[in-house]
Amino acid sequence: SQQGEEDPQALSIQEGENATMNCSYKTSINNLQWYRQNSGRGLVHLILIRSNEREKHSGRLRVTLDTSKKSSSLLITASRAADTASYFCATAGSARQLTFGSGTQLTVLP
Amino acid sequence: DADVTQTPRNRITKTGKRIMLECSQTKGHDRMYWYRQDPGLGLRLIYYSFDVKDINKGEISDGYSVSRQAQAKFSLSLESAIPNQTALYFCATSDLGPGADTQYFGPGTRLTVL
Repeated sequence: SQQGEEDPQALSIQEGENATMNCSYKTSINNLQWYRQNSGRGLVHLILIRSNEREKHSGRLRVTLDTSKKSSSLLITASRAADTASYFCATAGSARQLTFGSGTQLTVLP
Repeated sequence: DADVTQTPRNRITKTGKRIMLECSQTKGHDRMYWYRQDPGLGLRLIYYSFDVKDINKGEISDGYSVSRQAQAKFSLSLESAIPNQTALYFCATSDLGPGADTQYFGPGTRLTVL
């Protein structure tokens, strides 16, 4: 079973616009991570936010975490065509394994 | 991705055949994982190993077995492949300590069972 569920499942935007993806999860977590996957390739770690953090930035990425609502969002600002990929949230609980959501497919149109 | 390699990258096999997927890493990490990904879905954990003497079942271990031959090598076997094991398989590694939860993925093996 998937711990995290991403919303929307697919998102299509114009280059230069911001992209926001949301993730909801069910159980308590130690941290939440976002990964990116280009078509048919391995996942690449983007950013990790711990359960005691509310917001984190990395370059054009901004992640928020609301543990009371069991939700997180990933914002990509000033998107580029090269940002086209699938984005997955993954939660780490006390067992320190990752449980992945089903992903958001982002398409950035030039 | 170059730090975690998987062989083969693509494999087509027939129902009932035994097949082994191999993973090697040069990151020096103790922890290794095998996942499968089906179209339109996230990754599901098959097996994981926190060190050479530690093997644990994940969410979907039935029909699979693993071997941790060394710190750097973790193999996944399908003893008798069936068509619903057709999927993309990923190996991943992670470190101990503060960065323990970040995982580093190989490029994947696309397996087709006819």
